[in-house]
Amino acid sequence: EDQVTQSPEALRLQEGESSSLNCSYTVSGLRGLFWYRQDPGKGPEFLFTLYSAGEEKEKERLKATLTKKESFLHITAPKPEDSATYLCAVQAASYKLIFGSGTRLLVRP
Amino acid sequence: EAQVTQNPRYLITVTGKKLTVTCSQNMNHEYMSWYRQDPGLGLRQIYYSMNVEVTDKGDVPEGYKVSRKEKRNFPLILESPSPNQTSLYFCAQEETQYFGPGTRLLVL
Repeated sequence: EDQVTQSPEALRLQEGESSSLNCSYTVSGLRGLFWYRQDPGKGPEFLFTLYSAGEEKEKERLKATLTKKESFLHITAPKPEDSATYLCAVQAASYKLIFGSGTRLLVRP
Repeated sequence: EAQVTQNPRYLITVTGKKLTVTCSQNMNHEYMSWYRQDPGLGLRQIYYSMNVEVTDKGDVPEGYKVSRKEKRNFPLILESPSPNQTSLYFCAQEETQYFGPGTRLLVL
């Protein structure tokens, strides 16, 4: 069964304290792995797509990496404006997207 | 500017009263989806459409219908809403991973 698990469920960081969010998955025929940011009351905002193990993508303080079983979203020197829920999803061979439950990140000044 | 719009943004209704949530995209893309988001369950796909007149069930299609008569629009129809359909709904244009702003639905 296709499945995506994100950990931790919630993470509190001090401004400048780097950390990583985990997304582990099982899927039949991975077409791609997606990371999103979601602010309260808004739709998910696309961040990255990763297609194959070993691939990395960066955007400002965020860096996403991918292995055959999991992906990490590394946050370097976070700022309060990075506070949000971060969602991970995998696209199966059928083109269906399967989402994890998300990690709620709070960055304190 | 790329956009996915949904209407209404908020809706309170009663059990059994048919409703439609509209979704429109301005990107001329083919692949669109509807999701519902519930606390602790994450985003779950309701229906998706790969092209005009091509729709298919996602993970939680019971109680919902969709139509795709033109590429731009992908409405979600609840023929007889029930309280367990109270949720936050998102329409998405999948080819560039662009989500709409959401529709918060309360069924009494």
